[in-house]
This record gives sequence, C-alpha cells and structure tokens, in this order.
Amino acid sequence: DVKVTQSSRYLVKRTGEKVFLECVQDMDHENMFWYRQDPGLGLRLIYFSYDVKMKEKGDIPEGYSVSREKKERFSLILESASTNQTSMYLCASSLAGGSTQETQYFGPGTRLLVL
Amino acid sequence: DQQVKQNSPSLSVQEGRISILNCDYTNSMFDYFLWYKKYPAEGPTFLISISSIKDKNEDGRFTVFLNKSAKHLSLHIVPSQPGDSAVYFCAASMYNQGGKLIFGQGTELSVKP
Repeated sequence: DVKVTQSSRYLVKRTGEKVFLECVQDMDHENMFWYRQDPGLGLRLIYFSYDVKMKEKGDIPEGYSVSREKKERFSLILESASTNQTSMYLCASSLAGGSTQETQYFGPGTRLLVL
Repeated sequence: DQQVKQNSPSLSVQEGRISILNCDYTNSMFDYFLWYKKYPAEGPTFLISISSIKDKNEDGRFTVFLNKSAKHLSLHIVPSQPGDSAVYFCAASMYNQGGKLIFGQGTELSVKP
C-alpha cells in the first residue's frame, strides 16, 4: 500500500510566521502535489513536482513556495502566513513514468489555522 | 474557469437505495477520470476511475458512467450504506500534463439508516 504522511495533523500559527508543511511518500513515486481544500471550492493545486529539485506552479501558487531535495519528500512553505491561508492542506503522490492514467494517493491532511 | 463541476453540493439518500453523483467537464482533452471519497479530517481516498475509451467501469457496489458527447460522468452506488456518507470528488486529467488532476467542488453524500 502507498503511504503518504504529513508532518502535522493540526497547526496554529500567527500572521507573518513562516510555516513549513512536510510530506513524505514511501513508494518511490516521481510526482508529488500540494493542494488546499476549502468548502465549496474543492481541491485546488498549489504546486507540484515531477522530479527532485523540479517544481511547477499550480493554480494558486501565490504566497507559497515548495522544496523537493529528496525524491520522497516534498515541502510546502508559507513565506509569511496570512489569515486567508487558513485551510486544509493535502499532499499527494503518483507514480508518473509517462502514463497519463495515474492515480494520486493522498496524505491525511494538515488543518492549518492562521490567527 | 471551473473545468470540472459538481453542481450538487449535497445529496441525501436512504440506506439500500441508489446514490447517483454527477460531474460535468468542459475540456474535451481530458482522457482519464477518477472519483475520490473523503471523510472529515482525512485525506481523499481513491474510489474508482475510467478511461475515456470506455463508457462504464464497475467495482463492486460502485459504477462510473462516462458520456463523452455530453461531457458528463456519474458515480452510482448500489446499494447505499451509511458508511458511504462522505464527500465525493470527481477529478480529470489529460495527456502530457504531468499527472495533474483537476478536481470538482465535491458533493457531500448522506446515507440515512
């Protein structure tokens, strides 16, 4: 079974803090993704990475950055947290390898509250 | 521009009856569609998928139908069980997009005993 883990289930941070969300997958997947989920908006892609040190912007990258130094680990960074970044953050991974018909496997999510 | 839409935010069904969740898309280049199920405070879990070369895929109580001409897919759950109560997301992907999925807004299914 694919396992995707996220470093925290719940986080409370102050406005202006730098926030790190960590994600690790154990199935040697090439692709990794960060989403945020908000009521009525579904899952929106923030950033994704298809290889170590590679990153691509998703639909809502503003205010975020990412880091992928190792294949199994993908970090999301909130450079200066703001209240509108209060959300559920979900990490996912998929196998890649040229196939478009890929299933993404998700971690349990991190619920972030920015005060 | 919402390329994948789930127009019903919620659905309530009696236990044992059929649940039908709908999803519409606008981009004819999508070639793979998936349904995910999400419980509160958990990540989404993969449920079932369908390739654009098919019009139906079945897995136990879950069947996904794809109507390419209408750009519409649906998930049927028969019979519905209280444990099926969750938020369901449809998602779509297309060739050469790095495995990106485009998600709908989700439909919250409630199955009443």
